[in-house]
Amino acid sequence: KAGVTQTPRYLIKTRGQQVTLSCSPISGHRSVSWYQQTPGQGLQFLFEYFSETQRNKGNFPGRFSGRQFSNSRSEMNVSTLELGDSALYLCASSLDSGAPGEQFFGPGTRLTVL
Amino acid sequence: GENVEQHPSTLSVQEGDSAVIKCTYSDSASNYFPWYKQELGKRPQLIIDIRSNVGEKKDQRIAVTLNKTAKHFSLHITETQPEDSAVYFCAASEGGGNKLTFGTGTQLKVEL
Repeated sequence: KAGVTQTPRYLIKTRGQQVTLSCSPISGHRSVSWYQQTPGQGLQFLFEYFSETQRNKGNFPGRFSGRQFSNSRSEMNVSTLELGDSALYLCASSLDSGAPGEQFFGPGTRLTVL
Repeated sequence: GENVEQHPSTLSVQEGDSAVIKCTYSDSASNYFPWYKQELGKRPQLIIDIRSNVGEKKDQRIAVTLNKTAKHFSLHITETQPEDSAVYFCAASEGGGNKLTFGTGTQLKVEL
């Protein structure tokens, strides 16, 4: 079974621009979560989507948004990029059998904001 | 919301020794506690997890203990090997989905 994939793997943007990141979960997984990883803040939860609905949301500004499609693929968008948005963005998928369970992470998208 | 603290931030052990990493959480509603290992440049991978109805779980050289009363959980690695060198993250989930709150990570270095 193929693992979680993310595109693109690397991205360079300038301040004020917007960016869209994509995540394809493991086949059959209906939950997709997004995390931001930085050396200073560690791994921080952005949001979780399940059956095309946002089920959980972290403490990030409204510039960070996401969505999930009927095939469980998910995208996250960051508008009006700031220097502090430079980070590794990880998505993780989970089978979701009714209780929290193992999340399988993708390789991440490395975003650099100049 | 949930807050997870993790100690120590760095840990250096000799090959064959044991390593212990400790975490505390704040939300008594949390019921799922996974541990992830992240090697340099790679994605986090689950190494062991425990649910709130269990006090201890073991998988070969790795074990996790949970004290719900004290809101503590710990990772124990015995007979450490160089390939155990990585960053280890503890996390807690409050249920109602898959939102994980992570600790700040422990850089484990196993020296020959």
